[in-house]
Amino acid sequence: GENVEQHPSTLSVQEGDSAVIKCTYSDSASNYFPWYKQELGKRPQLIIDIRSNVGEKKDQRIAVTLNKTAKHFSLHITETQPEDSAVYFCAAGDDKIIFGKGTRLHILP
Amino acid sequence: DAGVTQSPTHLIKTRGQHVTLRCSPISGHKSVSWYQQVLGQGPQFIFQYYEKEERGRGNFPDRFSARQFPNYSSELNVNALLLGDSALYLCASSPGTGGYTFGSGTRLTVV
Repeated sequence: GENVEQHPSTLSVQEGDSAVIKCTYSDSASNYFPWYKQELGKRPQLIIDIRSNVGEKKDQRIAVTLNKTAKHFSLHITETQPEDSAVYFCAAGDDKIIFGKGTRLHILP
Repeated sequence: DAGVTQSPTHLIKTRGQHVTLRCSPISGHKSVSWYQQVLGQGPQFIFQYYEKEERGRGNFPDRFSARQFPNYSSELNVNALLLGDSALYLCASSPGTGGYTFGSGTRLTVV
């Protein structure tokens, strides 16, 4: 069945440095790749997404890259801030979206 | 402008009972998906509905069922509840493919 692998499971980054989270997916029919941020006790919030006809997308400090041949995509957060601390989920699919297991990001002061 | 609304927000049920969870999508959104999120894990896909038809089903037993109504709202039903069904149940709506917005979820506790 479809599977999305996400690494690392935990990431600690000094404030101001960059953070990178990587995901791979198994279903070659996947065309939509969203990233969600979930703070403790809250709903997942869409932060950025990319479709398979685009290789890279940027929104202020957040960027996502997609390599459809290798079936992997990554989230890059630059100039990290304390409010970036949360759990981040990648997902892949088309009609149905399958999530990775999440990365807990800690921003160290 | 209302987002995705789910009811109830919290629910406590006894093993063996039945539960119905409800979701109203964002106005104009025709697609609704249901996810189960166990503490510390990613959302697990249960169902997707588009224009009242089931478009996808995850790896969940037949005790789980859902439907979508003409106004695009949706219900998730779970029969014969088990302790392991305790989780946050999330509903997400989308205008079509992608761009899913999640509701706040229903926290189900089975005792």
